[in-house]
Amino acid sequence: DTGVSQNPRHKITKRGQNVTFRCDPISEHNRLYWYRQTLGQGPEFLTYFQNEAQLEKSRLLSDRFSAERPKGSFSTLEIQRTEQGDSAMYLCASSLGQTKKNTEAFFGQGTRLTVV
Amino acid sequence: DAKTTQPPSMDCAEGRAANLPCNHSTISGNEYVYWYRQIHSQGPQYIIHGLKNNETNEMASLIITEDRKSSTLILPHATLRDTAVYYCIVSYGGSQGNLIFGKGTKLSVKP
Repeated sequence: DTGVSQNPRHKITKRGQNVTFRCDPISEHNRLYWYRQTLGQGPEFLTYFQNEAQLEKSRLLSDRFSAERPKGSFSTLEIQRTEQGDSAMYLCASSLGQTKKNTEAFFGQGTRLTVV
Repeated sequence: DAKTTQPPSMDCAEGRAANLPCNHSTISGNEYVYWYRQIHSQGPQYIIHGLKNNETNEMASLIITEDRKSSTLILPHATLRDTAVYYCIVSYGGSQGNLIFGKGTKLSVKP
């Protein structure tokens, strides 16, 4: 399977615990995005990377959230001190990100987080 | 905030063409129109995108008005598997584009 892979698919955690999600993009894609989606809403942009550089962060990305892409390949999204409001689907996407060509983003299946 | 306006829901009979409208009156000259869809419990799936000219691929056709203030996604022969939420997005794409999703149109294809 050469698509975007996200792990785990589901995560249930207690309020106050830390969680970490992993995203493996399509191998030649240099751009990687994180989105959050709550029930009945469209995906909301959180942050994106160009290779290992984090180029943009949404105001939705509070200081409890941190994302890394250390070698420009896979990425992790960590949420510290989880709150019930963090319950959502967390989606990862990747694209070629060529500067002079618009290319589509490919999404993973997401990680569904439930904070109890 | 999303720069597009879409009807919240539409129905279409199986085998008929589904025409999904989108208004983007504030689109700037170098922004593209993208369409994605999301089938229940899956990640969004790219369908098509365009700048000025109409576009067609194996999934759909995209018709963009001459003033670029609106567009229509056409699924020529809708099937039950096309039931999904369809998102119309304007984006610079390429080196700048994150995608700002709205609430989309829930398309229900009925037998």
